[in-house]
Amino acid sequence: DGGITQSPKYLFRKEGQNVTLSCEQNLNHDAMYWYRQDPGQGLRLIYYSQIVNDFQKGDIAEGYSVSREKKESFPLTVTSAQKNPTAFYLCASSAVLLSYEQYFGPGTRLTVT
Amino acid sequence: GNSVTQMEGPVTLSEEAFLTINCTYTATGYPSLFWYVQYPGEGLQLLLKATKADDKGSNKGFEATYRKETTSFHLEKGSVQVSDSAVYFCALSSYYGGSQGNLIFGKGTKLSVKP
Repeated sequence: DGGITQSPKYLFRKEGQNVTLSCEQNLNHDAMYWYRQDPGQGLRLIYYSQIVNDFQKGDIAEGYSVSREKKESFPLTVTSAQKNPTAFYLCASSAVLLSYEQYFGPGTRLTVT
Repeated sequence: GNSVTQMEGPVTLSEEAFLTINCTYTATGYPSLFWYVQYPGEGLQLLLKATKADDKGSNKGFEATYRKETTSFHLEKGSVQVSDSAVYFCALSSYYGGSQGNLIFGKGTKLSVKP
């Protein structure tokens, strides 16, 4: 089955540690996205990527970094510089950049204490 | 800039009741409009979409009509089921107004359907 996988589903870290969230897709999509979701809030775009080795900042990129070394993979690193990292993180992909039809993974809930 | 406003929840209904979730938007140009649904503990799924004025999107008994004159895209369903309990997000995509075509989401409306 084609889709997007994110791992792990739940992640716990101590304050001051960097943590990397995994996102893999086998839909052969060119574009991939990372969103952050907070309780009672909509989704906010962190980073997006159109092609391998290229990515752009979204609305809330500070304290995050990404890489796109393979078409299938778009990992997100939450650095210690992110002031409020506890949130639900969603990865998505689409066939072309900025296509409205984005497909979402199941998400990773990160808790930093 | 572009934005989406949807009614605050939670919305609690009895099974077979009629559902309306209001959504209005502000956008430059001619946006496309969407409803996404998020079931507990899961990612978002595209529920329906409309790409131009007067289009009606429909799926799984849900429908929404793109109303340019009122800048609205209200979600409706005639008879809800317990399995419809989820959070519903209204969203838009426009290549104008600073959004560069990215999806702009509302804050979500939580729907609970009681048997």
